[in-house]
Amino acid sequence: GDSVTQMEGPVTLSEEAFLTINCTYTATGYPSLFWYVQYPGEGLQLLLKATKADDKGSNKGFEATYRKETTSFHLEKGSVQVSDSAVYFCALKTSYDKVIFGPGTSLSVIP
Amino acid sequence: DSGVTQTPKHLITATGQRVTLRCSPRSGDLSVYWYQQSLDQGLQFLIQYYNGEERAKGNILERFSAQQFPDLHSELNLSSLELGDSALYFCASSVGVGLATEQFFGPGTRLTVL
Repeated sequence: GDSVTQMEGPVTLSEEAFLTINCTYTATGYPSLFWYVQYPGEGLQLLLKATKADDKGSNKGFEATYRKETTSFHLEKGSVQVSDSAVYFCALKTSYDKVIFGPGTSLSVIP
Repeated sequence: DSGVTQTPKHLITATGQRVTLRCSPRSGDLSVYWYQQSLDQGLQFLIQYYNGEERAKGNILERFSAQQFPDLHSELNLSSLELGDSALYFCASSVGVGLATEQFFGPGTRLTVL
């Protein structure tokens, strides 16, 4: 069945470091791909999305490119801040409207 | 603030009991989704309603049921509760359905079963 795999962490980085969180997926058809972020004590918020191969989603300095050949959607940010500390979820959506989330990656950014 | 509201924020109950979680979607959103988030299972999709009709079903137990009312709010009913049902339950809403549709999440209801 459809699934999402991502590095589980926790990931700890110093402020201004480069961030990569790997995400790979298995899906039939052509899913849409998403990154959601969950700050402590809050619900999930959409960070960025891509709906077709080679699309790049970007928001708040985060980027991810839909790579169909490697079935990947890795999240990157050039310089993280303390305020980026959160749990990041990679997700896919198939034609059946069901969203499948990865296990989440906890990120801690230290000053 | 996503515009999605959930009540109650916290719920503590005993095994064998029944509880109802309530969700009000964003104004204008027709679709409501329910998710369960636990440490061991992660974030699991339970069920989706669109304009009052069930549209998609995920890993929802038979002890759980949901409905969406004419005013578009939704309720998730959990019965014969077990310790393992302790989790965060999120509701999300979207204006429609489709591959690129963004879901807006509520703050969640934390259920503790003792």
